[in-house]
Amino acid sequence: EIVLTQSPATLSLSPGERATLSCRASQSVSSYLAWYQQKPGQAPRLLIYDVSNRATGIPARFSGSGSGTDFTLTISSLEPEDLAVYYCQQRSNWPFTFGGGTKVEIK
Amino acid sequence: EVQLVESEGGLIQPGGSLRLSCAASGFTVSSNYMGWVRQAPGKGLEWVSVIYSGGGAYYTDSVKGRFTISRDNAKNTLYLQMNSLRAEDTAVYYCATSGTTWYVDYWGQGTLVTVSS
Repeated sequence: EIVLTQSPATLSLSPGERATLSCRASQSVSSYLAWYQQKPGQAPRLLIYDVSNRATGIPARFSGSGSGTDFTLTISSLEPEDLAVYYCQQRSNWPFTFGGGTKVEIK
Repeated sequence: EVQLVESEGGLIQPGGSLRLSCAASGFTVSSNYMGWVRQAPGKGLEWVSVIYSGGGAYYTDSVKGRFTISRDNAKNTLYLQMNSLRAEDTAVYYCATSGTTWYVDYWGQGTLVTVSS
């Protein structure tokens, strides 16, 4: 099973600041890596797929990068509505796995 | 518009069984892959099972031999039969399907399954 490790566990930033979230895989997942946003009480929402492609309707302030085992989600300028937990997920091998999540708090 | 509507979960005793259903609209359940993702209270996300358009099905190790995923193309519905339920199966279960991205483009609203005596 591919283990995805996300860091930091919690990120506390002010509106307008840049957020950088990390996801590290225990083995290469090639480019089969996605990011989801989950707001309190809601189902997750797909943000980024295949490392760097924004899903439909996702604002341009969200971007993804990386390859192999190290990946990054960047929120260029935080908005208050970005308060959420962010998960990475790989679909390289079954079982598909998620990282443990990074909680983004807005100061 | 794609919609996924899950059946109600509930409180089940350890060792009991429950079948979840997910009624799909706006697409056909056999067209891509569909599956179930669960989230224990206050915890992260976990893929439970997936079924592909060709019928192949996969399970996470902790549910193998206890859970069965299936679909009814005529009813356009996905199912998860859960047997020998354990306390650690307590979670919100989400029905999930991919669209054009091959990740989870669409999610159900989630249904809470609580396994407790």
